[in-house]
Amino acid sequence: EVQLVESGGGLVQPGRSLRLSCRASGFTFGDYAMSWVRQAPGKGLEWIGFIRIKAYGGTPEYAASVKGRFIISRDDSKSIAYLQMNSLKTEDTAVYYCSRHPLYGDVSNWFDTWGQGTLVTVSS
Amino acid sequence: QSVLTQPPSVSGAPGQRVTISCTGSNSNIGTNYGIHWYQQLPGTAPKLLIYGNNNRPSGVPDRFSGSQSGTSASLAITGLQAEDEAHYYCQSYDSSLSGSVFGGGTKLTVL
Repeated sequence: EVQLVESGGGLVQPGRSLRLSCRASGFTFGDYAMSWVRQAPGKGLEWIGFIRIKAYGGTPEYAASVKGRFIISRDDSKSIAYLQMNSLKTEDTAVYYCSRHPLYGDVSNWFDTWGQGTLVTVSS
Repeated sequence: QSVLTQPPSVSGAPGQRVTISCTGSNSNIGTNYGIHWYQQLPGTAPKLLIYGNNNRPSGVPDRFSGSQSGTSASLAITGLQAEDEAHYYCQSYDSSLSGSVFGGGTKLTVL
């Protein structure tokens, strides 16, 4: 069964850092680009970043709202994608989902599989 | 303010047909990147419903269909059922922003 499981969420103070993990199973992780999408309480979906497969350079792309503060990486040997969040702000409070693009897909494609999400609350 | 514009809510009676619109621009829906739709049931993660304008993943009923024309797209749901009550989101790629963009979401209420 194809599955994505996020972890690492929790309560964090403004200005601090937090790292989220997305563990994949049921498919060859290295063949799929991954994105992170967040949803603030009671709000819509916001794409925040993406990482290509190694064959396409393994490079990330970011939304303007998080560029320079968030870093996306991947460890294909462990089938895990990471979201390192630095200089957190109260407006970063949201459920964070990792999502998978189609096979050999890119940032312009859809998200065919989603994790269950992990809640990050930024508050003093 | 979302890059893609959706109506905040739509409603319909069981068995009826409803449509949800998604309006964008020449840098997103108006390109060849396609429009995709997701269903989010209360308290759950989004689920892919339609990809590439009008393609359904395996397991999605053919009651759901998508269309795209110019800088607008629509999701149609026929034979409305109580379990269709959810939020629906459109998504595309924006070449000006160099990233994915979503609509603000539409809440479907089955009367």
